[in-house]
Amino acid sequence: EDQVTQSPEALRLQEGESSSLNCSYTVSGLRGLFWYRQDPGKGPEFLFTLYSAGEEKEKERLKATLTKKESFLHITAPKPEDSATYLCAVQLRRSYGKLTFGQGTILTVHP
Amino acid sequence: DTAVSQTPKYLVTQMGNDKSIKCEQNLGHDTMYWYKQDSKKFLKIMFSYNNKELIINETVPNRFSPKSPDKAHLNLHINSLELGDSAVYFCASSPWDSTYEQYFGPGTRLTVT
Repeated sequence: EDQVTQSPEALRLQEGESSSLNCSYTVSGLRGLFWYRQDPGKGPEFLFTLYSAGEEKEKERLKATLTKKESFLHITAPKPEDSATYLCAVQLRRSYGKLTFGQGTILTVHP
Repeated sequence: DTAVSQTPKYLVTQMGNDKSIKCEQNLGHDTMYWYKQDSKKFLKIMFSYNNKELIINETVPNRFSPKSPDKAHLNLHINSLELGDSAVYFCASSPWDSTYEQYFGPGTRLTVT
């Protein structure tokens, strides 16, 4: 069965304290892996697309990487405004258009 | 503003009632989706339409029926509401050739009492 698992469930950081979020997947026929950010009371917002192992994408303090089994979202020197739930999703070659999401990591950055 | 909009934002109703949630996008996208996010924040796809044609229909009770009058609108009608239907429902849209880059609406919080 296709599975997407994110860890940790929740992460508390001090402002400036770098860390990483993990998304591990067990799927067959991966088309791509995607990261979204969700603020409380809002819909998810697209961040990154990763298609192949070794690929990296960066945006401000965030960097996403992909291996054959997992993806990491690295947060460098986070600020309180980075607090949100970060969702990982996969799309399979056989399921065009369908995203399968992980349960998310709730990130809280304290000033 | 260009966006995906949903109405209503909050919906409180009793078991057994029928209700609808409306979704509109003005991004010019061909594909629209309905997702359900449960209390544990798990986001799960329910339906997807491409240019008014149903392309994804997950294992969802028959009480849920999507309707797409045109490619900018995708409504969700729910019959005989049950307690377990309480959740946040998100509408999303994407270009047909970039279905991973989905733009989500603000969500509709449905509470069934």
